[in-house]
Amino acid sequence: GQQLNQSPQSMFIQEGEDVSMNCTSSSIFNTWLWYKQDPGEGPVLLIALYKAGELTSNGRLTAQFGITRKDSFLNISASIPSDVGIYFCAGHLYNFNKFYFGSGTKLNVKP
Amino acid sequence: NAGVMQNPRHLVRRRGQEARLRCSPMKGHSHVYWYRQLPEEGLKFMVYLQKENIIDESGMPKERFSAEFPKEGPSILRIQQVVRGDSAAYFCASSPPTGLTDTQYFGPGTRLTVL
Repeated sequence: GQQLNQSPQSMFIQEGEDVSMNCTSSSIFNTWLWYKQDPGEGPVLLIALYKAGELTSNGRLTAQFGITRKDSFLNISASIPSDVGIYFCAGHLYNFNKFYFGSGTKLNVKP
Repeated sequence: NAGVMQNPRHLVRRRGQEARLRCSPMKGHSHVYWYRQLPEEGLKFMVYLQKENIIDESGMPKERFSAEFPKEGPSILRIQQVVRGDSAAYFCASSPPTGLTDTQYFGPGTRLTVL
């Protein structure tokens, strides 16, 4: 099946720092999605990207759909303690209408 | 506009019992996906359903697990004769009909504990 390589696996940062994480794949995707999961909860959709090269922001979050359609990154600026959680990327293949998930980036923010 | 709903949120079963997990997709969504997540791990795809049809069950264990999405009512993930290894969080996600926005929204999950 398709594999998404998400990195880094975990991050420990100080409050106020910027954060960057990314996902790469050997396959082309039609859509890239970024989710955040808090402990004991389901993943929540943060940003959806539909076109190659697209750059989209949601508050302090910015994500880009790579031009090759094989990668995406998520940036969080000026991190705050509530940014703590696990961030997942997901790629969607239109032909199979299936979603493939990265293994997650665990973010820890020290106040 | 209610999101994806799952119940129960927590389910405790003894080995050998059956577990039934329910998922009501978002209004207007006709595609349902089930995932399993072990502690400190990612989401593992299990099955993809449309109304009355199983589209892709490549991630489902061959035995004891089944899923349905009837014409009326919620999608059901059924686990027969549960074993301790079935303990996990099970998430349902829904997406709109193909051709509209290709996004997927998750429910809060059902945490299954097998004693």
